[in-house]
Amino acid sequence: DTGVSQDPRHKITKRGQNVTFRCDPISEHNRLYWYRQTLGQGPEFLTYFQNEAQLEKSRLLSDRFSAERPKGSFSTLEIQRTEQGDSAMYLCASSAKAGESNTGELFFGEGSRLTVL
Amino acid sequence: RKEVEQDPGPFNVPEGATVAFNCTYSNSASQSFFWYRQDCRKEPKLLMSVYSSGNEDGRFTAQLNRASQYISLLIRDSKLSDSATYLCVVLRSSASKIIFGSGTRLSIRP
Repeated sequence: DTGVSQDPRHKITKRGQNVTFRCDPISEHNRLYWYRQTLGQGPEFLTYFQNEAQLEKSRLLSDRFSAERPKGSFSTLEIQRTEQGDSAMYLCASSAKAGESNTGELFFGEGSRLTVL
Repeated sequence: RKEVEQDPGPFNVPEGATVAFNCTYSNSASQSFFWYRQDCRKEPKLLMSVYSSGNEDGRFTAQLNRASQYISLLIRDSKLSDSATYLCVVLRSSASKIIFGSGTRLSIRP
């Protein structure tokens, strides 16, 4: 399977714990996006990378959230000191082969569902 | 105000009906527009791009009105399999983030 993969698919944690999600994009894609989605809402933009550079981060994100893409391939999203309001589906998507402009077509992974108790 | 706004629905229509969804965007500099479809408990997938001249893909027609900052999606002869959430998506520029609306839920009944 050469699509976007995310791990873990489900995570249940207690409030105050740290969690980390991993995303492996489609290998030839140089853009990688993180979104958060709650029930009845569309995906909410969190951050995105072009290669290893983090180009934009949502102002909605607190300092508890950090994302990295150290080698321009896989990415991690870490949430520190989780709160119940962090419970959501965290979606990763990739797009755009190197040298191509961003067409707006995103290829999503199946998401990582976080439940904070 | 949200950058991309949609009527959340739900729209509940009989099979064979024609249904239309609307979406407005606030940033006049927005460059590219799309409709995505999201099935229950699945990830979003691109349905179609939206071009200034309007475009059609089978039973689906998308329209863009830049002056009014308005995008629409028309589904003709709706099928049970069209039941899903339809997300309006805006790209401000090739170097910017991609913004999703909150989605419009469509349910087709037999």
